[in-house]
This record gives sequence, C-alpha cells and structure tokens, in this order.
Amino acid sequence: DVKVTQSSRYLVKRTGEKVFLECVQDMDHENMFWYRQDPGLGLRLIYFSYDVKMKEKGDIPEGYSVSREKKERFSLILESASTNQTSMYLCASIGGGQAYGYTFGSGTRLTVV
Amino acid sequence: AQSVTQPDIHITVSEGASLELRCNYSYGATPYLFWYVQSPGQGLQLLLKYFSGDTLVQGIKGFEAEFKRSQSSFNLRKPSVHWSDAAEYFCAVATGGGNKLTFGTGTQLKVEL
Repeated sequence: DVKVTQSSRYLVKRTGEKVFLECVQDMDHENMFWYRQDPGLGLRLIYFSYDVKMKEKGDIPEGYSVSREKKERFSLILESASTNQTSMYLCASIGGGQAYGYTFGSGTRLTVV
Repeated sequence: AQSVTQPDIHITVSEGASLELRCNYSYGATPYLFWYVQSPGQGLQLLLKYFSGDTLVQGIKGFEAEFKRSQSSFNLRKPSVHWSDAAEYFCAVATGGGNKLTFGTGTQLKVEL
C-alpha cells in the first residue's frame, strides 16, 4: 500500500522558532504538496513541488518555505513561527496525473505558543 | 479563478437515511472533480473522482456522485448512511494543469443512531 508519512503528529513550538515539518512518500511520485487545514477554511495550498529542487508557491506561501533535495522527501519550513501558523498541516503526493488522486499523510497538528 | 463551494457546514442524518452533500464549482474549463473524506485525526481519503464520460460515478464505501455541467455541481450521495460515515467531507477541483487541487471548506457529517 502506498504511503505518505509525516514525521510528527503533534508539535508544540515557541514563537520565533524555526520549525521543520517533514514528509516522506514511498511511491516515487514526482509531485508533492503542503496544505494547511483550518476550521471553516478547508485546505489551502502553501507550496508544491513538481520535481527535485523545484518548488512553486501556492495560495498562501507567506511565512513558509520548502525544500526538496530528494524525490521522496518534501519539507515545510516555518522560518520564524508565529501564533497564526497554529494549524493542521497536510502533505500529499501524486504521480501519473490525477487518475489516481492525491495520497495524503495523516497530518501534523502544530501549535505555536 | 477557480473555486469550490460546499454550502452546508454541518449535516446531521439518522443511520439508514439517505444522504446528499452539495458541491458547486467555478472553473472555466472541463473540471476534474473529487470527493475526499477525513475521519477524525486522519488525513484525507479519496472517495471518488470524475474526469469525463459517464456523469454518474461510483466510489468506495457505497458513495456515488453526479456531475451536472448545467448546474456546475458535483453532489455526493449515499442511499443508506452508516454510523461509521460520520466524518468531514471535502469536494475539490483540479487546476493548474491537473495536478493542483482547490478544496471546498468541507461538510461535517454527523450520524444519529
């Protein structure tokens, strides 16, 4: 069974800290995505990557950056965490076009205090 | 710009009753449409998708959805709801060449026993 693994289910960080959220997929997918999920707002795209070392901004990239040094790993970086970045973060990947749909990780619930 | 509207934030149905969750989209081209389900504390799971062809699509767990171009709708249905269907449901449209998903804000389904 294909898998997208997010390294942490729950994280608590302090304001101003640099935070790394890690996502690994074992499906050899080219495309990977980071979304944040907030009540009443659904899922909003932060960044995505079509290939190693390639990245593109999504709808809400401010305050975030990403890294994709290897095909299977896509990291989301909060350069200086703020309380308004408290949220659920979901990673997803897709290969072979939309015929197969996204595969999502279980999510990381980040609380910034 | 593309958008997805799920007009019902919360829906409550009795177990065994039929279900319809509404989804309307705004997109200039032929859409690729999806329904995902999210159980508490979990990532999103693909229920079904529409790309082309037959406008009534069947998915997993007994769900189906009908694409109506004239109404810009892609409503999700199930003839008889089970208590385990209680979850949050998201409608999405693929954009950006087919690999980016734009999500609706979700509908929280509660099932009364």
